Amino acid sequence: ETGVTQSPTHLIKTRGQQVTLRCSSQSGHNTVSWYQQALGQGPQFIFQYYREEENGRGNFPPRFSGLQFPNYSSELNVNALELDDSALYLCASSSGGRSYNEQFFGPGTRLTVL
Amino acid sequence: GENVEQHPSTLSVQEGDSAVIKCTYSDSASNYFPWYKQELGKGPQLIIDIRSNVGEKKDQRIAVTLNKTAKHFSLHITETQPEDSAVYFCAASTAHGNEKLTFGTGTRLTIIP
Repeated sequence: ETGVTQSPTHLIKTRGQQVTLRCSSQSGHNTVSWYQQALGQGPQFIFQYYREEENGRGNFPPRFSGLQFPNYSSELNVNALELDDSALYLCASSSGGRSYNEQFFGPGTRLTVL
Repeated sequence: GENVEQHPSTLSVQEGDSAVIKCTYSDSASNYFPWYKQELGKGPQLIIDIRSNVGEKKDQRIAVTLNKTAKHFSLHITETQPEDSAVYFCAASTAHGNEKLTFGTGTRLTIIP
């Protein structure tokens, strides 16, 4: 069974740029959730994709957008980067798109905005 | 929305002793409570979870208890070992159609050899 993978591992961008982060879900999982983890904080929910549709969104502006593909992998796009976007971005996969389902996290992408 | 508070923020225990981390939640509709361990440079790893129809769950040296009336849940680690040193997060999820997890702020656990 393949675990959750994310790419790239690290990324450095400048303010105003755009970034795309990628996530491959665990085998057999159809749901991907994205979280932002600032230094010293717990992860904050950005949004979730279930069977290629957005299935809930946290308190993040529209410049945070996503996609889920037929193979259930997913992308997180962030436009007009701000310094406060510097964080560890985590994706988690699960099956079912409902509560009660265990979420398994990838290693994250460390984004630094200069 | 849901709010999860976690205490303490740091905890140091002697190897072999027990560690307890406590969390409270605000939304009475929350029904799923996982605990994650995060080591430096890694993503959170699910170590144990509990659902609202159960009061206690144990897995070897790790146990979780849930008090729905008081809206709090706790992680207990017995016979601590150096490899237990990490940051631990509690989280809560409600049955409102998706699996959004609301996390606590984390506890940095240090096991002193």
